[in-house]
Amino acid sequence: AQSVTQLDSQVPVFEEAPVELRCNYSSSVSVYLFWYVQYPNQGLQLLLKYLSGSTLVKGINGFEAEFNKSQTSFHLRKPSVHISDTAEYFCAVEDYGGATNKLIFGTGTLLAVQP
Amino acid sequence: NAGVTQTPKFRVLKTGQSMTLLCAQDMNHEYMYWYRQDPGMGLRLIHYSVGEGTTAKGEVPDGYNVSRLKKQNFLLGLESAAPSQTSVYFCASSTFSGVPGELFFGEGSRLTVL
Repeated sequence: AQSVTQLDSQVPVFEEAPVELRCNYSSSVSVYLFWYVQYPNQGLQLLLKYLSGSTLVKGINGFEAEFNKSQTSFHLRKPSVHISDTAEYFCAVEDYGGATNKLIFGTGTLLAVQP
Repeated sequence: NAGVTQTPKFRVLKTGQSMTLLCAQDMNHEYMYWYRQDPGMGLRLIHYSVGEGTTAKGEVPDGYNVSRLKKQNFLLGLESAAPSQTSVYFCASSTFSGVPGELFFGEGSRLTVL
């Protein structure tokens, strides 16, 4: 079965600094990959997704992620963070061709942006 | 612009009591899901449905039952609540048209079992 590893449970960073949130997934023939964001006391919302094509994916709020098949990684980056980016970020994977949209989520990374 | 609505948002139960969480979506989505979120464990899939009248087990189905009698509603039931079921429960819905669609989440239902 697929699995997702987010090694960092919390990432503190100062405002306007760059950030990278790491995500690794277990190997499969092909996968669909996602990043979701959860703001305090809210549900999750889609940040970006990789389905196929270009390995660099751009999402909302200036975030981007790079799919690296050889390293089975899908790290999330932002060149300059804002206080409003403080939230929990979840990486997720779905088996290619699953046809159910079932996602396996990582354990989440709390991004804490400090002034 | 409701999207996915969960009721109730908060509930406290005693061990052994039963309850039902209701999820309603107004986007005509075929697929619906129930996840639970626990600290340090992310979201885990409890049950899901790919259409009206169909349900299937996810990663952690034990102790829960579900029903999808209408396309827009997905009910999650706890027949005999246990403290281990203290969690935040999220409902989500999506479409699927050859490639995965975005999951739309409700705001969550916080359940405490004493």
